[in-house]
Amino acid sequence: EDQVTQSPEALRLQEGESSSLNCSYTVSGLRGLFWYRQDPGKGPEFLFTLYSAGEEKEKERLKATLTKKESFLHITAPKPEDSATYLCAVQAYGGATNKLIFGTGTLLAVQP
Amino acid sequence: DAGVTQSPTHLIKTRGQQVTLRCSPKSGHDTVSWYQQALGQGPQFIFQYYEEEERQRGNFPDRFSGHQFPNYSSELNVNALLLGDSALYLCASSDQSEQYFGPGTRLTVT
Repeated sequence: EDQVTQSPEALRLQEGESSSLNCSYTVSGLRGLFWYRQDPGKGPEFLFTLYSAGEEKEKERLKATLTKKESFLHITAPKPEDSATYLCAVQAYGGATNKLIFGTGTLLAVQP
Repeated sequence: DAGVTQSPTHLIKTRGQQVTLRCSPKSGHDTVSWYQQALGQGPQFIFQYYEEEERQRGNFPDRFSGHQFPNYSSELNVNALLLGDSALYLCASSDQSEQYFGPGTRLTVT
């Protein structure tokens, strides 16, 4: 069964303190791995799509990387406005849809 | 360019009632997916619509049904509401691979 596990569940950082979030996945055939940011009570905001092992993408203070078993979201010198829940999701090959299978997210709090 | 829009924003219903949620996809997108997100959990796939047909359903009972209109907008209907149906209901639209989410509808069942 396709599955996504994110760790840690929660992370508290000081402003400027870099760290990484982990997303481990088990999928029959990976079509794509997605990172979203979600603020409380709002819909997920698309950040990155990664398609193959070794791929990396960057946006401002965020960098996402992908291996055959996991993805990391690296946050460099975070600011308080980076505080949010970060969700990881996978799409698998096969089936009629491109449905997303999500992890439970990492709640990030960045303190000034 | 308007993104994905959903209505209403919030809704309070009583057990046993029925509810209809609405979604308008991002311009140029023809596929709409619905997800349920319970508090503290990741979104769970309900079903997806393409060309006005339901393409696939997740592990949700028949009380959950939907519809897609010729303009690609979509509705999610839930009958015989249970307390456990309380959640944030998210609509996502896509054309090829990447899915873009709306702000969600917060449903509370009392």
